[in-house]
Order: sequence, then structure tokens, then C-alpha cells
Amino acid sequence: DTEVTQTPKHLVMGMTNKKSLKCEQHMGHRAMYWYKQKAKKPPELMFVYSYEKLSINESVPSRFSPECPNSSLLNLHLHALQPEDSALYLCASSQESAGGLTEAFFGQGTRLTVV
Amino acid sequence: AQSVAQPEDQVNVAEGNPLTVKCTYSVSGNPYLFWYVQYPNRGLQFLLKYITGDNLVKGSYGFEAEFNKSQTSFHLKKPSALVSDSALYFCAANSGTYKYIFGTGTRLKVLA
Repeated sequence: DTEVTQTPKHLVMGMTNKKSLKCEQHMGHRAMYWYKQKAKKPPELMFVYSYEKLSINESVPSRFSPECPNSSLLNLHLHALQPEDSALYLCASSQESAGGLTEAFFGQGTRLTVV
Repeated sequence: AQSVAQPEDQVNVAEGNPLTVKCTYSVSGNPYLFWYVQYPNRGLQFLLKYITGDNLVKGSYGFEAEFNKSQTSFHLKKPSALVSDSALYFCAANSGTYKYIFGTGTRLKVLA
């Protein structure tokens, strides 16, 4: 199973709403990521969890709050977002090896629209 | 600063012709190199990787990539393009941190 599952696929939320994005993988990968992607641009790293601990926060605004409940699950809690936060949010996971990270496996993404 | 460059925003090729999508990198050490494909409103799909060994790497859907250390390049190739190969392609590198360095992407358009 080389699948990363993200829910929901689409989300429309108001600027005062609170919502969560969910991500699950069963490949035994210990590194999990959240990326934000705007149209026709490369993914931008937001957060990295390694062994369920937050390793990297790329200076993401506090209205985005990640959580890693266990080694298979990754959540992204959203609150008081702005319209410019509308984007495709991608979850990914990868395995560590001696020389670096193996390939990342990406979920299909959540298309988020903030109104 | 470490970077991955994809010099062509778009590549057009006729169906059945060979295709090449270019990638060069400026990353310290001996980075792992990857190619991904992205279809509209979908996540990135892994195509192939270079870690070490043979400079010609074979991947999914008939794609292959040629690693050239002296030119710091990792070009994606396919002998015979299909219309269904039309998509956005990203080259990426990793040099032992938790950050993948992505190129800006190349849109491949295969014309029937």
C-alpha cells in the first residue's frame, strides 16, 4: 500500500470557521509533511513531523495548527483563515535512509476555498 | 542557496515523438533526485528517483531519467510521448534534510 489518504477532497469555509484537514498513511513512514500549493506552482513546505514530533515549521501563521496524533495520522487545524489561504493542501510522507529521504508519497490533496 | 532549475515553463511535443524535460540542480553533496508528475487538482505522483549507481534510471509509465554529475543535470525522457502524458512535471532534490527542493515545474503538452 503506497497510498496517502486525505480528507476532505474539497472544503469551502468562511473566515470565522474552524475546520480540520486529515491525512493518513500506512506505509510505516516516520516523516510526514504538510504542503501548500498554489496553481501551477511547486508545493511550499509548511510543516514536517518526524517520529510524531514537529521538526520544521516554515514560519506558518498560527491560524494553521498541525497535529500528529500517532505515526499514521496527521491533521491540520484551520481557524480564522484569509481568502489568500485558498490553495491545494497536500499531505505527504517519506522514509528516512542513510543518505537522505526516500521519495515522498503525496495524497490527492484538499482543495480549500476561503470565502 | 540550494536550488533546482527547470528552465522550460512548457514543452510541446507531438504524440509518438520522444520527449525531454530538463532539470539541473545546485545542491551540496550527493543529493537524491526525483521526478514527479501532477495532473489537474491531484497530488504529486512519484515517477522515478536517482540515488546512486546507473546513470539511466527507469521509472513508471515508460519514463526514464538520465543523471549527469558533471553537468548536475537529471533530465526526464520518454521514447514515445502519449497525449495522456500531458501534465505538470516537477523535478526535486533532497540532500539529507527534511526539505525537498522543488523546481518550478514544466508543463508538458503532447499534441495529437
